[in-house]
Amino acid sequence: GAVVSQHPSWVICKSGTSVKIECRSLDFQATTMFWYRQFPKQSLMLMATSNEGSKATYEQGVEKDKFLINHASLTLSTLTVTSAHPEDSSFYICSAKIVDPRTESTDTQYFGPGTRLTVL
Amino acid sequence: GQNIDQPTEMTATEGAIVQINCTYQTSGFNGLFWYQQHAGEAPTFLSYNVLDGLEEKGRFSSFLSRSKGYSYLLLKELQMKDSASYLCASMDSNYQLIWGAGTKLIIKP
Repeated sequence: GAVVSQHPSWVICKSGTSVKIECRSLDFQATTMFWYRQFPKQSLMLMATSNEGSKATYEQGVEKDKFLINHASLTLSTLTVTSAHPEDSSFYICSAKIVDPRTESTDTQYFGPGTRLTVL
Repeated sequence: GQNIDQPTEMTATEGAIVQINCTYQTSGFNGLFWYQQHAGEAPTFLSYNVLDGLEEKGRFSSFLSRSKGYSYLLLKELQMKDSASYLCASMDSNYQLIWGAGTKLIIKP
């Protein structure tokens, strides 16, 4: 079953508004969560890495004031797209690094189903 | 429920061929993706299949059978740099991605 969930699964908003996307690890504690952006049939572009209780680390070229990330608990990270514009329309995917019960490895990433954002 | 299954780990020899299988059960179907992920890096897109059949792209090929809910990724002429995790993901009727847990591929000389 799903280990990581995202909410909402899709959202349509007007230009200039802000949108919050939630990423939750289900039944597991995730010390690290990642936020990606995916363009059609392309690789996932890492936007930022967030660790619980500390500030997110943004990749080069990603505006931290535009893409606000809050990792308030071990099971929840949020991405807020502030003052969204049509060019922000994309598929946003989060993932969580969780201790894999099969191998007890901490390198396993579980991906969320994605949130499709359309900015009009 | 929705589910994706792929082997946890596979080992192959440099220069050989390896096939990574993926079976899926999703609510509706809008295509199947394969990604490669090296440790500590973001997943890289490899292929997208929405119609039955084999799609070849260099050393990598991907096959889909929608009636069987089955796909495989075929890697030929394996190189050491192919050691990575390979993720299978199915897109459902709501355009949500259902991810497999990934197959760790180990290439030996």
